[in-house]
Amino acid sequence: DAGVTQSPTHLIKTRGQQVTLRCSPKSGHDTVSWYQQALGQGPQFIFQYYEEEERQRGNFPDRFSGHQFPNYSSELNVNALLLGDSALYLCASSLDRIITDTQYFGPGTRLTVL
Amino acid sequence: GQSLEQPSEVTAVEGAIVQINCTYQTSGFYGLSWYQQHDGGAPTFLSYNGLDGLEETGRFSSFLSRSDSYGYLLLQELQMKDSASYFCVLNQAGTALIFGKGTTLSVSS
Repeated sequence: DAGVTQSPTHLIKTRGQQVTLRCSPKSGHDTVSWYQQALGQGPQFIFQYYEEEERQRGNFPDRFSGHQFPNYSSELNVNALLLGDSALYLCASSLDRIITDTQYFGPGTRLTVL
Repeated sequence: GQSLEQPSEVTAVEGAIVQINCTYQTSGFYGLSWYQQHDGGAPTFLSYNGLDGLEETGRFSSFLSRSDSYGYLLLQELQMKDSASYFCVLNQAGTALIFGKGTTLSVSS
């Protein structure tokens, strides 16, 4: 049973560019959440997708957008990259009908913006 | 808004017991979770308290007091592999997780 997978593992971009990160949830999970973790900080909630729609959003600008596909996989897009977007981006999956279900995290994508 | 406070660092020796405290401010939440994250790795779930009281899972126990806006994680029989960051986390409506800044635990021999 594969856990949460993310690609790529590392990415280097320059300011102003756009980036797309990908996530496949744990088998049987239908809800995907994205988090940003800056160095030395706790993960910060970006948004959550369920039934191919953004259901909940944290305090992140519109430059951050996402998508969920019919197979429940998800993408995180960041436009007009800033130096401050450098972070570990984590994807987590869970089962919606269990509202306090454990969230399972992927290994993350390390994004460096130069 | 929501906020969580936990110590930034804790040190202990193998075999010891350590308690990581967490205080929080929130207008509403389902419960308090604890996650472990080894350096560069994925956060992994340790424990969840939906109700007040103590939850025990092997060497780890977690406690919640809603009236005091307080919880803690207790780690017993510490091992070197327990060296990691530990996050106190609020489970919000809609299942968004609100993480604290984390406590770095260093276990020495």
